[in-house]
Formats: sequence, C-alpha cells, structure tokens
Amino acid sequence: SQELEQSPQSLIVQEGKNLTINCTSSKTLYGLYWYKQKYGEGLIFLMMLQKGGEEKSHEKITAKLDEKKQQSSLHITASQPSHAGIYLCGADIRHSGYSTLTFGKGTMLLVSP
Amino acid sequence: DVKVTQSSRYLVKRTGEKVFLECVQDMDHENMFWYRQDPGLGLRLIYFSYDVKMKEKGDIPEGYSVSREKKERFSLILESASTNQTSMYLCASSLGGINQPQHFGDGTRLSIL
Repeated sequence: SQELEQSPQSLIVQEGKNLTINCTSSKTLYGLYWYKQKYGEGLIFLMMLQKGGEEKSHEKITAKLDEKKQQSSLHITASQPSHAGIYLCGADIRHSGYSTLTFGKGTMLLVSP
Repeated sequence: DVKVTQSSRYLVKRTGEKVFLECVQDMDHENMFWYRQDPGLGLRLIYFSYDVKMKEKGDIPEGYSVSREKKERFSLILESASTNQTSMYLCASSLGGINQPQHFGDGTRLSIL
C-alpha cells in the first residue's frame, strides 16, 4: 500500500517568515493533492500536481512535485496568520479498481504575530 | 463553487443507537466518499460510491453501512453505535475519472456516549 509521510508534524513560524512542508511517498505519485484544514472543519482543496517537475502557485503558496515523482513540497512565502491550519497531502491510489485518495497525517502550522 | 453539505456539525448519540449521517453535493459529481478523522491516525476511508446504488468498502468499513439512492446524496449509517465510533466524519465528492480533486464538507463531530 502507498504511504505518505509529512514533515514536519508541526511548525511554528513568525509572521512574515517563509516555510516549507514536505510530503514523501513510498511509491511513485500519479496525482498529488494539497489541502488545508482549519481545526474542526473540512478540507479545502489547494492544488493538484501530476507531472514530474511540475510547480503551481496560488497567492503566496507554491507546490512542487519532484522529477522522480516521489516527493512534493509546499512553500509559503511571507506567512500570515491566515495561513495557520493543518496542511495535508493526498495521493491517487487504486482501491478495488477505483481511484481514491490516501492522505498523509498532516502538518500543523501556527503563525505567531 | 462546489458545495458539499453535511447535515450536522455536532451530534451526540448513545451507545447502541442507529445513527444516520447525511451528505449532499450540488455539483452533479459521480463520486462520493465518507472518511473519519482521528488524532494520530489521519483520514481513513470508510466507504465510497461511484454511481447511484453503488458502494465500495474502504479501509475501515466494519460497523458502518452506506446508502446512495440519489446521485446528490450519500448517507453513512452506524448500525449500532459504539464509543469507538466517536470521531470527526468527513464527506467528499468528485467528478468521475482519474486526477479529479475531492471536495469536502465541513465535517460532523460525532460523540457516542
């Protein structure tokens, strides 16, 4: 089965600082998704990466999928309090022949003023 | 925007009760999913459905069943609730095919006393 390891598990950064969250897969990634979750709420879809070397950005968040397609990173530039939350990566897998997602355990981000 | 609505944000039930969690999506998505989220264990797939009246077991189906009588509605049923089913339950939907992001509801925090 495919496993996703996220690092770090938690992170506290000062407002305005940059940060990176990593997601490493035990197998080749064919579709990698980044989500954000505020405590006690649902997941908000951020970005999807498919191709090795692909990079996507949304506002101050950039995600990359490495060439070998076994690791993705999420980079936040000039962090703000609104960036606080839990970031989860998810990967396409086959379950009973159907496409589903498996998720990492998440990275909790706190942004201090 | 995709809207996935879960019927309750918070629910308290007693051991042995039959519990229904409802999920409705308004984007004509073919696929619907039920997860539970627990500290330290992350998101785990309970059941999913790729079409009306169709269901597939996920990773942890024991103690649960589902119903999909209409395309927009996917219900999770706890046949006889137990305290170890206290959890955050998340519903998601997506378009058919591969590489389609899942869109999540706000979650139902269920407590079984």
